[in-house]
Formats: sequence, C-alpha cells, structure tokens
Amino acid sequence: EVQLVESGGGLVQPGRSLRLSCAASGFTFGDYTMSWVRQAPGKGLEWVGFIRSKPYGGTIEYAASVKGRFTISRDDSKSIAYLQMNSLKTEDTAVYYCSSIAPPTNYYYYYNAMDVWGQGTTVTVSS
Amino acid sequence: EIVLTQSPGTLSLSPGERATLSCRASESVSSSYLSWYQQKPGQAPRLLIYGASRRATGIPDRFSGSGSGTDFTLTISRLEPEDFAVFYCQLYGDSPRFTFGPGTKVDVK
Repeated sequence: EVQLVESGGGLVQPGRSLRLSCAASGFTFGDYTMSWVRQAPGKGLEWVGFIRSKPYGGTIEYAASVKGRFTISRDDSKSIAYLQMNSLKTEDTAVYYCSSIAPPTNYYYYYNAMDVWGQGTTVTVSS
Repeated sequence: EIVLTQSPGTLSLSPGERATLSCRASESVSSSYLSWYQQKPGQAPRLLIYGASRRATGIPDRFSGSGSGTDFTLTISRLEPEDFAVFYCQLYGDSPRFTFGPGTKVDVK
C-alpha cells in the first residue's frame, strides 16, 4: 500500500525551530519528487516547497513565504523527506502535509500533480 | 505571478444534482498542469483530475474536468452523499511552482 506518514509536529515558540518528517512506503521513493503543503486553520492550501528526485537533479524550490527559513531534504536510503523549519512565526501555524509527485517515466504519471498525500501533522507556533 | 480564482465560494446542492465549479487563471496557462483536488473535513486532499480533464486512478466517472487557457471547470454529474467537500484547483507553473485556488465548498442544500 502506498503511504506517506508525517511526524514531528507540535507546539513551538516563535523564533524556534522544528523538523518534520515524512516516511514513505509502497513505492520507489527515490524516483519521486516530494512536496510539502500547509493549511492554516480554516484556510486553504498553500504550497511550501518540494525536492526533486536525484535522477531529476535533486533540486529544491520554495514558496516565497518560507524561503530562507525552511529547508527541505531527503534520505532516499530511509525513504524519508524532511522539512526543517527555522525562525518560526505565528503565521506558520498550520497542518503540514507531505505529498508525492510521480516522475514522467512512471506508469501512473499525473503531469506534476500531487497524487499521494500524508494525513498531515499539526504545527502550532505560539508563545 | 499567476492567480487562480474559484467560483462560487460555496455551492449548495442536493444529492443527485449536478455541480459545476469554476477555476479561472489570471493569465493563460497550460492545461497539462491544471489539477483538481477534493478535501473533506479533517482529511488530506485527494487528487481528482490532472491535465485539466484526466481522472486520477480510482476516481469515479461522475467527476469530469474541462477547459483551457484561463477557464477551467470541474463537473460532478450527480452528487453522491460522499462528494460534499471543498474542491481546490491547482496549477504547476513557473513561479511559484504550485498555486492553489481558494477553494469551492459544496455543501448540502
């Protein structure tokens, strides 16, 4: 079964750091782009950033709202993607989802859409 | 930066009715990279449509997508009780790479 499981959320004070993990199973993790999307309470979806697979350069891109504060990485040997969040602000409070994006070489290629999502982990930034 | 606008904000319908949701881009976009997601309360989003009109694996054929250029539509031909949710359109573009619309809530009339 294809599955993504996020962990690492919690309550953190403004200015502090937190690292989220996204553990993948049921697919060839190293082939996929991994993305992070967040949703503030009662609000819509906001893309945070993604990391491409190594065959596609392993490049990383971020939304302007988190660039310079958040860092995405991946450990293909463990099938885990990470979101390191530094200098957290109250406006970073949200449910954070990881999602996978299939490569063009995949039988099920969805034109860069996010086809599998985790259940989300909640980050609350408050003093 | 391309902005996605969705209308209406809320659509109140009864089971069995047809739902038509709109997503408009601030400039012409590639339909290859326009997707639709469904999100139910307390759940993660689910991919419904990619490439503007292609159903994702396992998505019932009552869901269909259409459109090109700046105007895209998600249609649910006959609403089932489990279809009531919030629907988001999404674009894969240049900068930012991903943009979501604000969502349309389909609720029970």
